Amino acid sequence: EVQLQQSGAELVKPGASVKLSCKTSGYTFSNYYMSWLKQMPGQNIEWIGNIYGGNGGTGYNQKFKGKATLTVDKSSSTAYMDLSSLTSEDSAVYFCARPYYPGPSYFDYWGQGVMVTVSS
Amino acid sequence: DVVLTQTPSTLSATIGQSVSISCRSSQSLLDSAGNTYLYWYLQRPGQSPQLLIYLVSNLGSGVPNRFSGSGSGTDFTLKISGVEAEDLGVYYCMQATHAPWTFGGGTKLELK
Repeated sequence: EVQLQQSGAELVKPGASVKLSCKTSGYTFSNYYMSWLKQMPGQNIEWIGNIYGGNGGTGYNQKFKGKATLTVDKSSSTAYMDLSSLTSEDSAVYFCARPYYPGPSYFDYWGQGVMVTVSS
Repeated sequence: DVVLTQTPSTLSATIGQSVSISCRSSQSLLDSAGNTYLYWYLQRPGQSPQLLIYLVSNLGSGVPNRFSGSGSGTDFTLKISGVEAEDLGVYYCMQATHAPWTFGGGTKLELK
């Protein structure tokens, strides 16, 4: 069974950074991309970017370049997202989700989401 | 970026009623190879989104056949033929034809 298990909720101060994790199981991590998405409370979903589990190759939504950095650890089948210089606009639920295809694709499995709250 | 506009933003329905949701794109979602990367998801309260429809009209795995998708170019529709209680939540369309991939603003389906 494919599973994407995300780390727990984060409360961080403005200007700080946070690293979110997405630990996977049930499939060959290095054969798939992983995406990260942002959902602000009651609002739209935004695609942040993709990272390939095989070699760490990335593609970002221009809006999130400089804000989000995606990495992977193949040895633990885990994807990570670093968010830097946090502001209140970064308070949101962040999902990891697996694209079914390597190219344009839907997401067939999602993590449970992690709430990040930026507050002093 | 491609803007997807969903209407209505809220939909009130009774159990058994058939409803439709529209998703209009600011650009054609047909790519040069003839593919249209338009998808529909349902997000139930407190849950992650789940796939309903892929490539405009194909039913996702395990999705009941009361759900159907149609459309082309810039206009797309999700239809639910006979709403059931488990269908309540927010519906999103999503496109992956043009980078960055984008989502519609969502349509909340609630009980009347």
